[in-house]
Amino acid sequence: QKEVEQNSGPLSVPEGAIASLNCTYSDRGSQSFFWYRQYSGKSPELIMSIYSNGDKEDGRFTAQLNKASQYVSLLIRDSQPSDSATYLCAVRRDSNYQLIWGAGTKLIIKP
Amino acid sequence: GAVVSQHPSWVICKSGTSVKIECRSLDFQATTMFWYRQFPKQSLMLMATSNEGSKATYEQGVEKDKFLINHASLTLSTLTVTSAHPEDSSFYICSASPSYEQYFGPGTRLTVT
Repeated sequence: QKEVEQNSGPLSVPEGAIASLNCTYSDRGSQSFFWYRQYSGKSPELIMSIYSNGDKEDGRFTAQLNKASQYVSLLIRDSQPSDSATYLCAVRRDSNYQLIWGAGTKLIIKP
Repeated sequence: GAVVSQHPSWVICKSGTSVKIECRSLDFQATTMFWYRQFPKQSLMLMATSNEGSKATYEQGVEKDKFLINHASLTLSTLTVTSAHPEDSSFYICSASPSYEQYFGPGTRLTVT
């Protein structure tokens, strides 16, 4: 079992709809969770961080964390073609500051 | 805020030569910096973790004598690819961490001919 798992996709969503991206992790002691967006040929960009159970909203993005289920998700409302990218889930190892990365989910927003 | 620069953005070098890549945190101090490599259509691969003033910690399988990392200050880390070969051609990305998050530089695309 991988430490951080994501569906590789591609996930195809119509423009204007809600895109839902999911991530599970295996280390129950993990405390910090991040979503990054990576456009093709570019470096990752941090879009959300979440540390506590529940929802965290930032504009069109909502991160959801459920530590009991070891599950973190990212919702993108009113999806735009510019949201088409690979979304990377990362979980922080508190012991040495490293991030454990999922393989990423490729999201395609269709006009 | 949280801007990380990387230089050069792309470089072409001949086999057997060395290439130095710089990573700077522009508006924050970074105790810890990370170096990643990414091949086309593949995931990020962590190469090493560097802390200011101490030796870098390399991931398993990464040759520390080939990929020299220096973290001389809280805002600058460098990666030198020594005796580069075509198989070292890749996208090299640094990140800097002021606390819990990591912020990435724009990356350096290295092509070894």
